[in-house]
Amino acid sequence: GAVVSQHPSRVICKSGTSVKIECRSLDFQATTMFWYRQFPKQSLMLMATSNEGSKATYEQGVEKDKFLINHASLTLSTLTVTSAHPEDSSFYICSARDHGLDTQYFGPGTRLTVL
Amino acid sequence: EDQVTQSPEALRLQEGESSSLNCSYTVSGLRGLFWYRQDPGKGPEFLFTLYSAGEEKEKERLKATLTKKESFLHITAPKPEDSATYLCAVQAAGQAGTALIFGKGTTLSVSS
Repeated sequence: GAVVSQHPSRVICKSGTSVKIECRSLDFQATTMFWYRQFPKQSLMLMATSNEGSKATYEQGVEKDKFLINHASLTLSTLTVTSAHPEDSSFYICSARDHGLDTQYFGPGTRLTVL
Repeated sequence: EDQVTQSPEALRLQEGESSSLNCSYTVSGLRGLFWYRQDPGKGPEFLFTLYSAGEEKEKERLKATLTKKESFLHITAPKPEDSATYLCAVQAAGQAGTALIFGKGTTLSVSS
């Protein structure tokens, strides 16, 4: 099956620093990637949709200047949390859609803790 | 407004006790309905995609069915390793790259 990786799996940082999370599709080309965040015991909340080579589309209420998304290639998207604060602590999960198909495959997630 | 509602919120079963999880949806044209399994601290694992009413798919002890208003995930003779949160999501008709709308999930616990 399709495999999506995320790095790092866990990160702890100080308030005010920036954190970059990578999402890679390992065995397929992903024209579209999605970024979600998930709070404890809640479902996934879509943050943004990114298409390779174009600007990401952010969901209402998500600050595009705080959550920078880059989708520079068909296998890599990055999410940078700028000037992170404790309220940004969450579980961030990416997904990738195999070109031409509807199914989204999810990465293992990144646990961000901001002190 | 497109919406997905899953029930029950939590389900406790004895090993071997079959049951079903429900996913009700309202969407302006269904492109696809997806079932995922999520273990604690991990990303969702893809299980099934269903596209049209009457469609059924099976994988080991799991069987997913779809009607025009809801989907069921039937679990036959569950084992403790089936314990997880099961997520249902729909994709509205439109471009293939549109986002999924998730339900809140059903947390299944199977005891031996």
